[in-house]
Amino acid sequence: DVKVTQSSRYLVKRTGEKVFLECVQDMDHENMFWYRQDPGLGLRLIYFSYDVKMKEKGDIPEGYSVSREKKERFSLILESASTNQTSMYLCASGRSISYEQYFGPGTRLTVT
Amino acid sequence: GEDVEQSLFLSVREGDSSVINCTYTDSSSTYLYWYKQEPGAGLQLLTYIFSNMDMKQDQRLTVLLNKKDKHLSLRIADTQTGDSAIYFCAERGNTDKLIFGTGTRLQVFP
Repeated sequence: DVKVTQSSRYLVKRTGEKVFLECVQDMDHENMFWYRQDPGLGLRLIYFSYDVKMKEKGDIPEGYSVSREKKERFSLILESASTNQTSMYLCASGRSISYEQYFGPGTRLTVT
Repeated sequence: GEDVEQSLFLSVREGDSSVINCTYTDSSSTYLYWYKQEPGAGLQLLTYIFSNMDMKQDQRLTVLLNKKDKHLSLRIADTQTGDSAIYFCAERGNTDKLIFGTGTRLQVFP
């Protein structure tokens, strides 16, 4: 079974803190994705990566950065957390030519 | 740009059929997907349809695609309380990116 794990289920941070969200997949997938999910807005793509050290901006990259030093790990970084970044963050992975993306359980981040 | 739209809520009685609708704008879509999200969990792929198909059936699930109208639907037969979840429609064009709809929250009542 494909497994995508995220470092935390729930996280509470203060405004201005640097926040790291980690995602690990165990299926040797080339592609990895970070989304945020907000009620009424669905899932919006923040960043994705199609190879180690490669990254592409998604639809809402402002205020975020990413790191992919190893194939199995994709990190989302909030350099200076703000309250409008309170959200559910979902990581996903998939093969380049596959139809499916596999999702992690999500991290619910609250910024106070 | 690409856009995928769904209604936000659907409420059905247990045992009835549920139909969740989705419209999309990208005519170059190659795959269209239905994902299910149960409370507190990530998204799970329910089914998908390739753009050259009109219909796909998988047990209680039937997907209908009207490519001319860019309309996708998911029918769940004999809906059960365990089907209560948020259902996301998504489309994939010529890249590896998925464009998701807003999600439809399905509530099943006894």
